[in-house]
Amino acid sequence: GDSVTQMEGPVTLSEEAFLTINCTYTATGYPSLFWYVQYPGEGLQLLLKATKADDKGSNKGFEATYRKETTSFHLEKGSVQVSDSAVYFCAPRAYYNQGGKLIFGQGTELSVKP
Amino acid sequence: EAGVAQSPRYKIIEKRQSVAFWCNPISGHATLYWYQQILGQGPKLLIQFQNNGVVDDSQLPKDRFSAERLKGVDSTLKIQPAKLEDSAVYLCASSLGAGSGANVLTFGAGSRLTVL
Repeated sequence: GDSVTQMEGPVTLSEEAFLTINCTYTATGYPSLFWYVQYPGEGLQLLLKATKADDKGSNKGFEATYRKETTSFHLEKGSVQVSDSAVYFCAPRAYYNQGGKLIFGQGTELSVKP
Repeated sequence: EAGVAQSPRYKIIEKRQSVAFWCNPISGHATLYWYQQILGQGPKLLIQFQNNGVVDDSQLPKDRFSAERLKGVDSTLKIQPAKLEDSAVYLCASSLGAGSGANVLTFGAGSRLTVL
């Protein structure tokens, strides 16, 4: 079945450091790809998305590019802030005939120190 | 627009007791999902409704979990009897539909269950 593998955490960085969180997936057909973020004590929020190959999703300085050939959707940010400390989830969205559900990775905890 | 509403936010029960969680999705969203998130793990889909019909309940432990969405709007998830391993956050999400992969799922704040 469909699955996703994320880089294990926790990841600890200093403020203004470069961030990469790796994500690879296996999926039937042509899924849409999402990154969700969960800040401490809060619910899941959409961070960014990409719906077709080579699309780049971006939001709040974060970017991820849909790489169909490598089935990857790595999350990057050029300069992290303390406020970016959260758990990040990569989530492909299954095909319609599989209900269109999101399939989550295990999450990568990011801690940014001042 | 109003978000996905869930209640209660927190619940503590003893094993073998029962509990129910309620979800009211965003107005007009036809698809409703219940996910279980165990501490330190990613959310796992329990059940998905399209209007008031079940699309996917393959990972719902049907001997103890049940869910309904009688009028195609709000939904209730019930656990009876609860086990220790049911301690988790139960997340409700909704989307316009399941037909377009680009439709975004919007999540509620979750209901945290502790089973003692």
